[in-house]
Formats: sequence, C-alpha cells, structure tokens
Amino acid sequence: KAGVTQTPRYLIKTRGQQVTLSCSPISGHRSVSWYQQTPGQGLQFLFEYFSETQRNKGNFPGRFSGRQFSNSRSEMNVSTLELGDSALYLCASSLANPNTEAFFGQGTRLTVV
Amino acid sequence: GESVGLHLPTLSVQEGDNSIINCAYSNSASDYFIWYKQESGKGPQFIIDIRSNMDKRQGQRVTVLLNKTVKHLSLQIAATQPGDSAVYFCAEIGGNKLVFGAGTILRVKS
Repeated sequence: KAGVTQTPRYLIKTRGQQVTLSCSPISGHRSVSWYQQTPGQGLQFLFEYFSETQRNKGNFPGRFSGRQFSNSRSEMNVSTLELGDSALYLCASSLANPNTEAFFGQGTRLTVV
Repeated sequence: GESVGLHLPTLSVQEGDNSIINCAYSNSASDYFIWYKQESGKGPQFIIDIRSNMDKRQGQRVTVLLNKTVKHLSLQIAATQPGDSAVYFCAEIGGNKLVFGAGTILRVKS
C-alpha cells in the first residue's frame, strides 16, 4: 500500500508570506502528526490530529496551525514566514495512537528567503 | 519547541563490525521507546521499539537495550553494512507525543 505522501517536496517562500503543506496518511491511518526538523533543534513536535481534532500540540507560536479532513488528510499552515522557519517539515501517520509505530513521509523542504 | 540535545555525534565503523548507538532520554515516566533511521533526503524509518517493561528486544540484525535506572537506551547493529549509513534517532513517548533525541550519524567504512 502507498506510504505517507507529502506535497510539495520543496518550497521557497519570502519572509512575510504564508505557506500550506499537505500530508496524505497511509490508507486506514487516522492519526497524523507534524514535526519540524532543523540542524540546530533536531526533530520537534508541532501537533497531532485524529478524526479532524487536534489532540496534542507542541511549543510553537500561533503562526503554525493545522487541520485534518474527514479523509484523514492533513494540512499545516505557517503564516508570516520568518527566516527561522526554514526547515524540513515531516508528517507521520499511525493507525490511531501516535504512541505506536509511526510512518513518516519524505517531508517538505521549506526555504524562507 | 521541545527537543533533546543539539549536538550530533558521529560513529564511524568498519563494514562487518558491530555498531552501538547510545541515547539518554529525559522522562522517567516514558513507557515506550523507538529507534528511527533517517537516510539523506528521506523521512525517519522505524527500526525497532521497546516498552518500559522490557530491557531487551531483538530484531533482524538489531537489538535495543533499555536501562531505566540510568535512563539509557542503546541500539546495537550486528555486522554493519554500508546501507546502514544514516542518522539514527531515539524517541520516547512523553505527554502522548514522540520526543526525539538529537540523533547520531553512523558512517560505515568499506
């Protein structure tokens, strides 16, 4: 079966713009988590969605938001982009509980210039 | 944001040797731990997991050891191969979310 699909793979945006990233989980998976990966901070948890509801949230400013649709696909949005938002954004899906094996997508590489 | 560690150590091993990658975790209440492998340009890939009621778990060529007393986790890779070259992350379940370690770069010399 298909894995976790993230689009786009690469993105270049200007400071102040906003961006929307998309994640399609593995079929049948209902939990989707988002992570930010940077060389300096490593992998940091952004938020987790299950059945269209945000169940958990990391320590990121309100500029970072997300949502999940009825088909479990998820989007995350970053508004008023800053240079420091440049990172690899990873999405992970799991059946229901994010505390079990999570499958990651290849990520979206966001560069803010 | 939450994270564990900022420095990325590197382990270089000869092909065919065994590798041991170590990780210190922070939350003594964590009850589930996972090792992930991340190759260049890819997302993390699940390797093996262990629950806190165990101290050892074996997979194919990999073994995870858990020492709850000192909050230490290790990943042992037997007969390391060039394809094992990657960044390895340990992760713990803290507050119903995965908290990742900083990662270790494994380089396999042929």
